[in-house]
Amino acid sequence: DQQVKQNSPSLSVQEGRISILNCDYTNSMFDYFLWYKKYPAEGPTFLISISSIKDKNEDGRFTVFLNKSAKHLSLHIVPSQPGDSAVYFCAASESSGSRLTFGEGTQLTVNP
Amino acid sequence: NAGVTQTPKFQVLKTGQSMTLQCAQDMNHNSMYWYRQDPGMGLRLIYYSASEGTTDKGEVPNGYNVSRLNKREFSLRLESAAPSQTSVYFCASSEVAPETQYFGPGTRLLVL
Repeated sequence: DQQVKQNSPSLSVQEGRISILNCDYTNSMFDYFLWYKKYPAEGPTFLISISSIKDKNEDGRFTVFLNKSAKHLSLHIVPSQPGDSAVYFCAASESSGSRLTFGEGTQLTVNP
Repeated sequence: NAGVTQTPKFQVLKTGQSMTLQCAQDMNHNSMYWYRQDPGMGLRLIYYSASEGTTDKGEVPNGYNVSRLNKREFSLRLESAAPSQTSVYFCASSEVAPETQYFGPGTRLLVL
């Protein structure tokens, strides 16, 4: 079963506007969540993370929101830039575990 | 600091051939991972090594073997390649599991 799900395979936004990428999870034992960004022909790179004791974490233009009751997290990018065009993966882990579980990814395209 | 390096970058195999994908990290990380990425499937964990001397199966281990040669190196072996193993393979490492992972650039494998 898919424990981490990104329901939107793709998202297109205009430069300067907000990009919102969504992720849902089913495992209530997950307590640490991350977003990775991937450009073509490169490995994923870490973007931002959040612990389950928080509901928001901000780093520059990137903010991650966590809604534990809905088992939902989202990544907001404001303002979006063409260089943000990439595949974004959300991932989750249990603090007692040894591995990350990734979603399917969302292709973000930011149009100039 | 090279981070995580993978060799080869690209490989074509015939069905039934064997090969080993190499991965090395220079960050003195304890944990290392092998993933495969397929369209619409995200990153799926094949095997991981939480610390030197240990290896464990991930989500999709069938058809693969691994060796944690030392703290730096973690190799993935396909004993008898199948077309279903055509994929992009990523190696990753983290200081401790399951914290933020750092990925290599990937190996594109085509099995004919």
